Amino acid sequence: GEDVEQSLFLSVREGDSSVINCTYTDSSSTYLYWYKQEPGAGLQLLTYIFSNMDMKQDQRLTVLLNKKDKHLSLRIADTQTGDSAIYFCAESIGTSGNMLTFGGGTRLMVKP
Amino acid sequence: DAGITQSPRHKVTETGTPVTLRCHQTENHRYMYWYRQDPGHGLRLIHYSYGVKDTDKGEVSDGYSVSRSKTEDFLLTLESATSSQTSVYFCAISDRGSNQPQHFGDGTRLSIL
Repeated sequence: GEDVEQSLFLSVREGDSSVINCTYTDSSSTYLYWYKQEPGAGLQLLTYIFSNMDMKQDQRLTVLLNKKDKHLSLRIADTQTGDSAIYFCAESIGTSGNMLTFGGGTRLMVKP
Repeated sequence: DAGITQSPRHKVTETGTPVTLRCHQTENHRYMYWYRQDPGHGLRLIHYSYGVKDTDKGEVSDGYSVSRSKTEDFLLTLESATSSQTSVYFCAISDRGSNQPQHFGDGTRLSIL
């Protein structure tokens, strides 16, 4: 199985908060990333967190990291229809090549 | 957006033919990566490069080779394409490698019939 797991699908109403969850298995992860992919496009880096942090906030985005449970979440406040996309979490274990292991992606659908 | 151009953006070819995908960057970043994206698998690393002529294998390297003769270009070659290599291929770059985020190109959709 994958080292990084995400639920497949999340549906929310416009204006609500969205919470996308991710679990990882490698306790030596150094950085954890969130990427957004819109249809037909590449992956856009949203935010990332260093493993010695618990939380990072960037405008409407809040990342929470529970290192003990190896659980990462991305909260999007005041979700908009333009937030509809696939969201990927990824972990880096800090090797010299900075190789990333990705989850399978969570498809977020925002209903008006 | 990071200056990454992938070419071609779409390609359809037949089983057994050679295929080369190109990734071109204008950021002078040291590290370059090739991934494939398939439904349910997220992105999986094929090969990566940590400098000119320096490359290494990723998780799914069988059937693929790469070359990097200059900093700005990273080529992915399928020597004899198979239907299982039908996928969307993404190039990524990062500066200084370790602990620097990767930035992605827009992808190449490859169909092998």
